[in-house]
Amino acid sequence: DSGVTQTPKHLITATGQRVTLRCSPRSGDLSVYWYQQSLDQGLQFLIQYYNGEERAKGNILERFSAQQFPDLHSELNLSSLELGDSALYFCASSVGSGLGEQYFGPGTRLTVT
Amino acid sequence: AQKITQTQPGMFVQEKEAVTLDCTYDTSDQSYGLFWYKQPSSGEMIFLIYQGSYDEQNATEGRYSLNFQKARKSANLVISASQLGDSAMYFCAMRTAIVEGNTPLVFGKGTRLSVIA
Repeated sequence: DSGVTQTPKHLITATGQRVTLRCSPRSGDLSVYWYQQSLDQGLQFLIQYYNGEERAKGNILERFSAQQFPDLHSELNLSSLELGDSALYFCASSVGSGLGEQYFGPGTRLTVT
Repeated sequence: AQKITQTQPGMFVQEKEAVTLDCTYDTSDQSYGLFWYKQPSSGEMIFLIYQGSYDEQNATEGRYSLNFQKARKSANLVISASQLGDSAMYFCAMRTAIVEGNTPLVFGKGTRLSVIA
């Protein structure tokens, strides 16, 4: 158990819908990262928050957004869902300084039908 | 830009044998970290081992060791005494630390390791 929690574990929804994925980082970790893993694109970085502020953006679509709350949990919002958004979405956290490892949550498997 | 290359899509190894998974990286930064993660069929990403660019000794964690050759920009993972439970996808990843708050990981495409009894 990495200490990072993600809910829900599985999500099935229809095209055009909106979903919210939730992540709680390890205790004491200030940085939260969101990654998307799909068969064709592999593991891709989406967005990073550090202590409540957006720190870096990767290949995140405009239909996607995220935020980190004062208690440091984070939510990833995916809207106007398309079939191609079906993927495993990971949240990871790290302390926030140095080059230490990132610890991953169990992931949320999103299926868009 | 950072890039990780894993040239072995799949590998087979006999149980109890050692196996090396290849990883080469490209970055112009002097300070960086190299990581290996394991992803079993259940899907979770499990951190295995870390090597800092300024670390003089190769990292080891139990049966895992990282063969770090800085001049060749390679960071191969060596698994000794393979077990059936080692069958999984293995990802090499890199990050650089330029500013406070860390930077995201850049992943390779992975190597699927199958351990044969």
